[in-house]
Order: sequence, then structure tokens, then C-alpha cells
Amino acid sequence: SAVISQKPSRDICQRGTSLTIQCQVDSQVTMMFWYRQQPGQSLTLIATANQGSEATYESGFVIDKFPISRPNLTFSTLTVSNMSPEDSSIYLCSVASGFYNEQFFGPGTRLTVL
Amino acid sequence: GENVEQHPSTLSVQEGDSAVIKCTYSDSASNYFPWYKQELGKRPQLIIDIRSNVGEKKDQRIAVTLNKTAKHFSLHITETQPEDSAVYFCAASLRGGSYIPTFGRGTSLIVHP
Repeated sequence: SAVISQKPSRDICQRGTSLTIQCQVDSQVTMMFWYRQQPGQSLTLIATANQGSEATYESGFVIDKFPISRPNLTFSTLTVSNMSPEDSSIYLCSVASGFYNEQFFGPGTRLTVL
Repeated sequence: GENVEQHPSTLSVQEGDSAVIKCTYSDSASNYFPWYKQELGKRPQLIIDIRSNVGEKKDQRIAVTLNKTAKHFSLHITETQPEDSAVYFCAASLRGGSYIPTFGRGTSLIVHP
């Protein structure tokens, strides 16, 4: 499976600021995704990062709050904008590969908003 | 859309016992069912999956079963060990459809030494 890295691994931010999370994959992948995992909760899909076009957002998530870039097939960024304490969560990128598009996750970014 | 229910939310067993986690899904077209293990502070890791053309799959101490008629699938862990303690997520997806899995809410498995 692909090796996936994320930066930063964790951060503590002030409300009203923005944080950009980077996801790097060691091989080209067609499908990349961004998830949010709140403490003790399941995985919630934020959006599918599309290479060369705008991301596809899930219900409840909007581009102004979570802008996503996907400049090539190995890299994507997620920005959490105008943060509030409710944005405190773990943000995970994932990639899909294989016949059944098995998903593999990055190590996650633990975000705390004060 | 797909809906995946997972039970129980917490499962506590003694080392050496078996553990079973059950999931049901709503979309009869779903054909791929992965299971993920997430240890505390770590990423979810794919541990086993099953496709709709088989009813059971085993990998050492873990096995998955699938009943497409009843739309449920289960994870079985035998001879549990303390390192099996983690949160387990089931998921369902459709190859040829959106490909995006719908995850269950997770089961926290605690194995007591």
C-alpha cells in the first residue's frame, strides 16, 4: 500500500485563524479524501480531493470553510478556515487504490482550537 | 444512501476469549466490506475485507462473514490478546458506484489480561 504522510501531526491554534494541513503520498493515486474524526467518534468524510478540479464536498461541509487543493496525483492540502473550538478534531487524509478502491489513511493531524 | 449500523459500541472480554462485532447495511447493491482497526492515537488500519462473492474469509485469528440476504456482516476475533484492544470500524461500499465507504460508528474492544 502507499505510504502517506501528513503535516503537521498536531497543532494548537487560536480561534479565528486558519490552518493548512498537507498530505503527501509516495505514489500517484487517483482518489484522495479528507476525513474528520471527532473524539470517540467515527470517520466523517469532508470531501473528495479531485486533481485539476474543485473538490467534491459532503453535506454539511463547504468550500469556504474547508478549501482543498489537489495540484497533482501525490499531494493535497486541506485548510480549516476561521477556526472555532468546534473544529477541534483529528483530520485524516486517505487514498484509495486497488480493484475495490481500498482506502488507506494517513497518520492524521490533531487540531486543538482555543 | 447507504447506512451502516454497528454493534456493540463497547465489548469487554478476557484474554483468550472470542469477540464478535456485527454490522448491518441498508443498500443491497454494496459489494465491498472492509474492517479497520484503530489503536489509541493511531490511524485506522485496514485489517481484513470481504467482497460480495464470498461468504467468509479468514486471516489467522480474525475472520469475517457476510450474509448478503440478511445484509449483515461480522468480524470474529479468536484467542483475543491485549494487543487486540482498539476501536474497530466496519464499512460498506459499492465498487462501480461512488466507491466511498460508509463507516459504522465503531466498537471499542477491551481485552483484559
